[in-house]
Amino acid sequence: DAGVTQSPTHLIKTRGQQVTLRCSPISGHKSVSWYQQVLGQGPQFIFQYYEKEERGRGNFPDRFSARQFPNYSSELNVNALLLGDSALYLCASRDETGGWGYTFGSGTRLTVV
Amino acid sequence: GENVEQHPSTLSVQEGDSAVIKCTYSDSASNYFPWYKQELGKGPQLIIDIRSNVGEKKDQRIAVTLNKTAKHFSLHITETQPEDSAVYFCAASSVKAAGNKLTFGGGTRVLVKP
Repeated sequence: DAGVTQSPTHLIKTRGQQVTLRCSPISGHKSVSWYQQVLGQGPQFIFQYYEKEERGRGNFPDRFSARQFPNYSSELNVNALLLGDSALYLCASRDETGGWGYTFGSGTRLTVV
Repeated sequence: GENVEQHPSTLSVQEGDSAVIKCTYSDSASNYFPWYKQELGKGPQLIIDIRSNVGEKKDQRIAVTLNKTAKHFSLHITETQPEDSAVYFCAASSVKAAGNKLTFGGGTRVLVKP
């Protein structure tokens, strides 16, 4: 089975632009979470979605938004990019009916210049 | 909210020796404590986890212990090998809460010297 897949793998954007990151969870996983990992730090929680509904939101500005589609894939949108948004963006999925573990994708490396 | 502290930030061990990483958490409602290994250019990989109703769990060379009273949990790697070199993260979560997010520690960079 394929793991959590994210696209694109790398992205370079200019300050002020908008970006959309995509995530496909493991087949059968209905819960998707997004994390931001700045270089040298642990991942920080951004959003969790389950069955297309937002279940939780971290301490991020309204420039960050996300949604989950009927096939449980998800998109993370960031508007008005700042230099400080440069990070590895990770998506994780979980089987809410089974174990408690989250499986992470390899991430999208976003560089804002 | 939850706060997770992780120590040490870097750890260098000789191949074959043991490595221990310690974490503390602040929220007594946390009931799930996973450990992740992250290699360069990759996402975090779950290596072991423990629930709050268990004090210790072992999987081959890796073990995790949990002290709920002290709000401490630790990762033990025995007989370290060069392929154990990576950044390790502890995390805590309240699985029963809405939006059951993982709160991560700051990470430990482990270097296993051959």
